[in-house]
Amino acid sequence: SAVISQKPSRDICQRGTSLTIQCQVDSQVTMMFWYRQQPGQSLTLIATANQGSEATYESGFVIDKFPISRPNLTFSTLTVSNMSPEDSSIYLCSVETGSPYNEQFFGPGTRLTVL
Amino acid sequence: GNSVTQMEGPVTLSEEAFLTINCTYTATGYPSLFWYVQYPGEGLQLLLKATKADDKGSNKGFEATYRKETTSFHLEKGSVQVSDSAVYFCALRRAGGYNKLIFGAGTRLAVHP
Repeated sequence: SAVISQKPSRDICQRGTSLTIQCQVDSQVTMMFWYRQQPGQSLTLIATANQGSEATYESGFVIDKFPISRPNLTFSTLTVSNMSPEDSSIYLCSVETGSPYNEQFFGPGTRLTVL
Repeated sequence: GNSVTQMEGPVTLSEEAFLTINCTYTATGYPSLFWYVQYPGEGLQLLLKATKADDKGSNKGFEATYRKETTSFHLEKGSVQVSDSAVYFCALRRAGGYNKLIFGAGTRLAVHP
């Protein structure tokens, strides 16, 4: 298993500003993921972040809006840029670990409200 | 494409009632199937999983059986408790080494004493 922490746990931001969310894992992992959970909805994958390579974004998500860093095997950041109220969501970090049936473990999430 | 369909909630039950939350999927090949649970104010936790047809995943009294013939992975529990109140998500991961999880819409369960 993996223990994942995220900072901040919640924030209220003004339109047009940016917020960087941090994700810390208690062990080294190759694959980290960022998901978005819009109010009352399911989770949608934003991007996959592997250490040492550029993040891979899902359809509908772009690097300019959601830049991601992955400086080492235990840490990643997601920035939500030029925010609008539509970006109000819970943002979750997850990691994949375990073999042979890999499992994904999720952080507690960052609840973002954009005014 | 690949997708997961869950029964709509909320599901409201009395304590000790029997629970079924339906989940069906669309995917090519043999995906891995998962149930995640999200308790109020917390992140997602893996509840159980199944990686091949006819596998039964189980944990904390919950069970789900991977049915290839009906493309289903229904979640069941014989006697729910108030502490089971949460949102339950069914998810799949495509076969072939893909990492992306595809989630259903989630089903909110409320259990009353």
